[in-house]
Amino acid sequence: QSALTQPASVSGSPGQSITISCTGTSSDVGTYNLVSWYQRRPGKAPELMIYDVSERPSGVSNRFSGSKSGNTASLTISGLQAEDEADYYCCSYADSSVVFGGGTKLTVL
Amino acid sequence: EVQLLESGGDLVQTGGSLRLSCAASGFTFSSCAMNWVRQAPGKGLEWVSAITGSGGRTYYADSVKGRFTISRDNSKNTLYLQVNTLRAEDTAVYYCAKGREYKFYYMDVWGKGTTVTVSS
Repeated sequence: QSALTQPASVSGSPGQSITISCTGTSSDVGTYNLVSWYQRRPGKAPELMIYDVSERPSGVSNRFSGSKSGNTASLTISGLQAEDEADYYCCSYADSSVVFGGGTKLTVL
Repeated sequence: EVQLLESGGDLVQTGGSLRLSCAASGFTFSSCAMNWVRQAPGKGLEWVSAITGSGGRTYYADSVKGRFTISRDNSKNTLYLQVNTLRAEDTAVYYCAKGREYKFYYMDVWGKGTTVTVSS
């Protein structure tokens, strides 16, 4: 149950697109299409943004999209807005357990 | 409104025990898997444990297996985490998180957390 690997930080200007990677192994991301992404704004509870690799819960902006290739999942945010500044965590099912990534801090310049 | 309210966190000595609780409201509690997730100071999220809606199956992170026990009382809409043999590395904010129906691995509602501090 090793943590998934995410970049510590990413940044972008308003209107731009950014992508956050999430690298796991054949025991988690590589085997299961059960990847999710969470947004955590300062002082707020985490919010589920993506599930099943690329599905969005109702109410989540279509500016957020997810994908997966091999052992790496990705979250793309298009049309960056100031309100997107937050920590983002990927998460994967892993054989009767769950593993999170270390988190990525997104800064909107 | 769906709400989760954790309680039971405290300052305890190494080797001590606590029982954390999570009171749920606003949804059919027995229909949803539930989780405990923690965040140590300056660290990211760490999944701790999960339980099915009926309570019939439980799941644990390797780091807590054998020391922590998850349970639920569906008549009281309450989730529990019994934490024993506490270590310094268990110091964290513990969050209760609702699974997306039976899928415990997707957490769609989170509580505000309760703080556990383990000190020698």
